Amino acid sequence: KAGVTQTPRYLIKTRGQQVTLSCSPISGHRSVSWYQQTPGQGLQFLFEYFSETQRNKGNFPGRFSGRQFSNSRSEMNVSTLELGDSALYLCASSLRGDSNYGYTFGSGTRLTVV
Amino acid sequence: AQSVAQPEDQVNVAEGNPLTVKCTYSVSGNPYLFWYVQYPNRGLQFLLKYITGDNLVKGSYGFEAEFNKSQTSFHLKKPSALVSDSALYFCAVPSGGYNKLIFGAGTRLAVHP
Repeated sequence: KAGVTQTPRYLIKTRGQQVTLSCSPISGHRSVSWYQQTPGQGLQFLFEYFSETQRNKGNFPGRFSGRQFSNSRSEMNVSTLELGDSALYLCASSLRGDSNYGYTFGSGTRLTVV
Repeated sequence: AQSVAQPEDQVNVAEGNPLTVKCTYSVSGNPYLFWYVQYPNRGLQFLLKYITGDNLVKGSYGFEAEFNKSQTSFHLKKPSALVSDSALYFCAVPSGGYNKLIFGAGTRLAVHP
């Protein structure tokens, strides 16, 4: 079965712009989590959605937002981009929505802000 | 608060030799522990998890991990390293709350021919 699909794979944006990243989970998975990965901060949790509801949110500014659609696909949006937003953004899906069981990750979207 | 620590930024090992990537944890209650691997320009791939039971957990690609409650450790091991095992390895623990994992800083494994 298809894995977690993230689009696009690479993005280059200018400071001040906004960006939308997309994540399609494994079929049947209702939970989608998002992470930001940078060399300095490592993997940091952004938020988690389950059945279109945000259930958990990390310590990121309000410029970072997300949503989940009825088909479980999720998008995250970053407004007013800053240079420090350059990172690999990973989404992960899970069937149970329970972190005790782990996730399946997508390959990520590499965002570069110039 | 739940946390994991990976004390080594990098581990170097010769091909064919055994490898160990270290992880220690701090959790309340019974721990659930994970190892993931990341190859260049890719997402994280699940290797194995400890829930309860046997202290030696077997996972993908010939990896295994040893859970040690007295030392609060969950070290990743492989009897014979391959050059293709060179990657970034993360241990992780659920944080509490919904579907959130706390990851260690990662350990870069370099296997030399």
